[in-house]
Amino acid sequence: DAGVTQSPTHLIKTRGQQVTLRCSPKSGHDTVSWYQQALGQGPQFIFQYYEEEERQRGNFPDRFSGHQFPNYSSELNVNALLLGDSALYLCASSLAGRAQETQYFGPGTRLLVL
Amino acid sequence: DQQVKQNSPSLSVQEGRISILNCDYTNSMFDYFLWYKKYPAEGPTFLISISSIKDKNEDGRFTVFLNKSAKHLSLHIVPSQPGDSAVYFCAASAASGGSYIPTFGRGTSLIVHP
Repeated sequence: DAGVTQSPTHLIKTRGQQVTLRCSPKSGHDTVSWYQQALGQGPQFIFQYYEEEERQRGNFPDRFSGHQFPNYSSELNVNALLLGDSALYLCASSLAGRAQETQYFGPGTRLLVL
Repeated sequence: DQQVKQNSPSLSVQEGRISILNCDYTNSMFDYFLWYKKYPAEGPTFLISISSIKDKNEDGRFTVFLNKSAKHLSLHIVPSQPGDSAVYFCAASAASGGSYIPTFGRGTSLIVHP
């Protein structure tokens, strides 16, 4: 049973560039959430996708966008990268419709913006 | 403003002893609480959870206690083992738009000495 997978594992970009991160959810899960974890902080919620639609969004600017595909996999896109976007980006999957659902995390993509 | 606070950035414990990690929250709407463990270069791993209708939940060496009146929860690890050395995140959630999105604390780094 494959867990949550993310690609790439590491990425270096320069300011102003655009980046796309990818996530495949745990088998049987249909909901994908994205988090940003800055150094010394806990994960901060970016948004959640369910049925190919953004269901909820955290306090992140429109430069952060996403997509969910019919197979439940998801992409996170960040435009016009800033130095402050350097962080670990975590994807988590869960099963919708369950009360008090538990999210399962992937290993993350570490993004460095120079 | 931090809705979930882990005021101890680090904790050092001797192998075999009890580890107690603490967490405070401010939002009275939170009704589901989780602990995650994170090793370096890995994503957070779900450890244990508790619903607000309970005040204790136990799973092997791990027990979570919830004090709703004090808005406080704690994770007890007995006995502590060197392999428990990791960063522990407390998270709290409430139903919103049909989904539970956890809010994370900043984490406590636990070191268990042999």
